[in-house]
Amino acid sequence: DAGVIQSPRHEVTEMGQEVTLRCKPISGHNSLFWYRQTMMRGLELLIYFNNNVPIDDSGMPEDRFSAKMPNASFSTLKIQPSEPRDSAVYFCASSRQSYEQYFGPGTRLTVT
Amino acid sequence: AQKVTQAQTEISVVEKEDVTLDCVYETRDTTYYLFWYKQPPSGELVFLIRRNSFDEQNEISGRYSWNFQKSTSSFNFTITASQVVDSAVYFCALSENTGNQFYFGTGTSLTVIP
Repeated sequence: DAGVIQSPRHEVTEMGQEVTLRCKPISGHNSLFWYRQTMMRGLELLIYFNNNVPIDDSGMPEDRFSAKMPNASFSTLKIQPSEPRDSAVYFCASSRQSYEQYFGPGTRLTVT
Repeated sequence: AQKVTQAQTEISVVEKEDVTLDCVYETRDTTYYLFWYKQPPSGELVFLIRRNSFDEQNEISGRYSWNFQKSTSSFNFTITASQVVDSAVYFCALSENTGNQFYFGTGTSLTVIP
């Protein structure tokens, strides 16, 4: 069975541009998580969904960030407009309730 | 307050030494789950183990072992006869029964020197 799929794996963009990160969770998992990892702040939870519904978005840094999960097999994290401080590795993870989260390979975002 | 504390930021050991990574957690739930993840230099986060709060039995998997002690709220991870391939950042995490959000520790960076 395929693991969590993220695209793109690398993204380089200029400040002010819109960035969209995509995630396909593992089939049968009902929870999906978006994380951001930087050297300074470590691993931060941005938002998570349960059964496609956003449960907690308190980790979303500001209104420039938005996330959607239109169905059980797809989610997006959008940054508009992007800023250099958004440069990080963004991970998507999925799980069944209270079970281990399985992480995707991450998207390395560089905003110049 | 941190729900998961990994006090060791960085550890270096020489190959074949044993090493223990500490994890202390905090929760008021009686049902909860504890996890360890490995993040090698390649960057992916790899699930290693899950433990629920009702199972205090220690777990051994090859060179890896885990010691869960509710009395001290600790879930420590020991690598026996460490190898260079064990070099990674290791994260401990907690999930409470009130939700399925994970609380990750700040990670311990382990370097195994050949």
